[in-house]
Amino acid sequence: KQEVTQIPAALSVPEGENLVLNCSFTDSAIYNLQWFRQDPGKGLTSLLLIQSSQREQTSGRLNASLDKSSGRSTLYIAASQPGDSATYLCAASYSGAGSYQLTFGKGTKLSVIP
Amino acid sequence: NAGVTQTPKFRILKIGQSMTLQCTQDMNHNYMYWYRQDPGMGLKLIYYSVGAGITDKGEVPNGYNVSRSTTEDFPLRLELAAPSQTSVYFCASSYDLAFFGQGTRLTVV
Repeated sequence: KQEVTQIPAALSVPEGENLVLNCSFTDSAIYNLQWFRQDPGKGLTSLLLIQSSQREQTSGRLNASLDKSSGRSTLYIAASQPGDSATYLCAASYSGAGSYQLTFGKGTKLSVIP
Repeated sequence: NAGVTQTPKFRILKIGQSMTLQCTQDMNHNYMYWYRQDPGMGLKLIYYSVGAGITDKGEVPNGYNVSRSTTEDFPLRLELAAPSQTSVYFCASSYDLAFFGQGTRLTVV
């Protein structure tokens, strides 16, 4: 069974700092890995998707990397802003029974202090 | 572009009542999912569907049922609601990227 772990559970940083969020998964035979953002009381918004054949993806100040051999992904946020405060979740997609299912980590709650 | 729409947003049920959570998507995705999110527990997969007429159980299916008569709609049925079903429910659809609805906050009292 695929398990996804995110450490730390919470992180507080001053505005302007660069930061890294970590995600690890147990089964390296993933189909893809996605990073999501969740604001309080809201749904999940997809940030980045990395296919299993890719090493990284970038979108604006966000960069996500994938290392299947070590079972790890990182989300790098450059020049953090108070508006980045949210919970960030990673999810590994794997193929099972003819479908692609997402297994989620429990998330890292990020607070960016002005 | 509506994406994934869930209704209702909030609901209070009494123990033993039943209800249907509605989910519809307008992106023509074959894959659709129902998750529940509990504090500190992450998202758990309840049921999923790979296309109209095809559904299968996820990690926590007990107490729930689903149907998929069209590509667009994937309702989740709760029969005989129990306090343990108090949670936030999310519907999602995907091709590669997954798109989530805004969630239904359900309280069973």
